[in-house]
Amino acid sequence: GQNIDQPTEMTATEGAIVQINCTYQTSGFNGLFWYQQHAGEAPTFLSYNVLDGLEEKGRFSSFLSRSKGYSYLLLKELQMKDSASYLCAVRDLTSGTYKYIFGTGTRLKVLA
Amino acid sequence: DAGVTQSPTHLIKTRGQQVTLRCSPKSGHDTVSWYQQALGQGPQFIFQYYEEEERQRGNFPDRFSGHQFPNYSSELNVNALLLGDSALYLCASSLRGRGYEQYFGPGTRLTVT
Repeated sequence: GQNIDQPTEMTATEGAIVQINCTYQTSGFNGLFWYQQHAGEAPTFLSYNVLDGLEEKGRFSSFLSRSKGYSYLLLKELQMKDSASYLCAVRDLTSGTYKYIFGTGTRLKVLA
Repeated sequence: DAGVTQSPTHLIKTRGQQVTLRCSPKSGHDTVSWYQQALGQGPQFIFQYYEEEERQRGNFPDRFSGHQFPNYSSELNVNALLLGDSALYLCASSLRGRGYEQYFGPGTRLTVT
């Protein structure tokens, strides 16, 4: 089957570093994505990993281990505006067509 | 460069009614996917359209149907509305072959009473 697990909520302090973990199970893995979603808004793309390793993009980094079915999103130098839900999503490639499977999201609260 | 647009922004319907939601993809994109996002949950994949055909479908009943037009815009239709259909409906567009670049529209908030 297909399943994605991530923590429901996390709290961190402004200026700190936070790591949001995601584990997944899917038969046709074809990439892992992280999206940020502020309350009442659409998800916005943060990062994409298809090969093992770390992808860095400014204050955000994402790591993937395909053999372990594991990814994390690392947010550095936290700012108040980083308070949002962070969605882990796996792209499944079946019969030549992409399908995205999302986790329930991790609500991150950044405290002053 | 126009992004993904959706209409209407909000909608209130009564149980048993039918609803049509609309989506225009980002300029240059040819593939449209629809998602349902309940409060506090992640988006759930409904279906995807490419070349005016449904290419993939998630675990949603036949009450959910769609259409894609020659200009790549798309509609989501839901028949016999249930209270549980209340959610944010998101449209996402991409270019076939570059599916990692998926852009979401602002969504349509549907409330069924």
